Amino acid sequence: GNSVTQMEGPVTLSEEAFLTINCTYTATGYPSLFWYVQYPGEGLQLLLKATKADDKGSNKGFEATYRKETTSFHLEKGSVQVSDSAVYFCALNPTAGNTPLVFGKGTRLSVIA
Amino acid sequence: EAEVAQSPRYKITEKSQAVAFWCDPISGHATLYWYRQILGQGPELLVQFQDESVVDDSQLPKDRFSAERLKGVDSTLKIQPAELGDSAMYLCASSLRNNEQFFGPGTRLTVL
Repeated sequence: GNSVTQMEGPVTLSEEAFLTINCTYTATGYPSLFWYVQYPGEGLQLLLKATKADDKGSNKGFEATYRKETTSFHLEKGSVQVSDSAVYFCALNPTAGNTPLVFGKGTRLSVIA
Repeated sequence: EAEVAQSPRYKITEKSQAVAFWCDPISGHATLYWYRQILGQGPELLVQFQDESVVDDSQLPKDRFSAERLKGVDSTLKIQPAELGDSAMYLCASSLRNNEQFFGPGTRLTVL
């Protein structure tokens, strides 16, 4: 079956620190991979995506590379800000079409000044 | 920028009562999803619509949950009767032809 495993939080970092949130997946076929962010009390916002192996998704200083050989899609940012404090979800879409996303459990990030 | 609308944002109810949530997807998005997000977990699919037809409701507890999208536009999710374990965030998402899903702000349900 399809599943996503991401590192457990919470992760607490000082401002300007380097961020890595690990995500690995299990899927049949060739999934698309996503990172969503959820700010307190809000819905999910798409942060970045990659649709095939070796693609790099990037947005707002965040980036993640689709690694088929290690079935991973780790999220990184070189210098975090207090405003990056949120819950981050790794997700996969098993197909190229309109099928439901499979989410990880989320990782809470807290950035302190 | 077009957004998915949901209402209400918050709902508090007593167990055994009926509740209903509404979702208006981005205009033109034929596919609509309802997800449930339990506190501390990732969202899980309840039901998927393609236009007015149900594509996948295998995870919808049909003894108490129902969902409809009568004209293929907005959608309603109902719970009757609500149970304590239904307390969660209910998220609606929509998508066009590609696989990018856009989420609404969610309805946070608390069952007392």
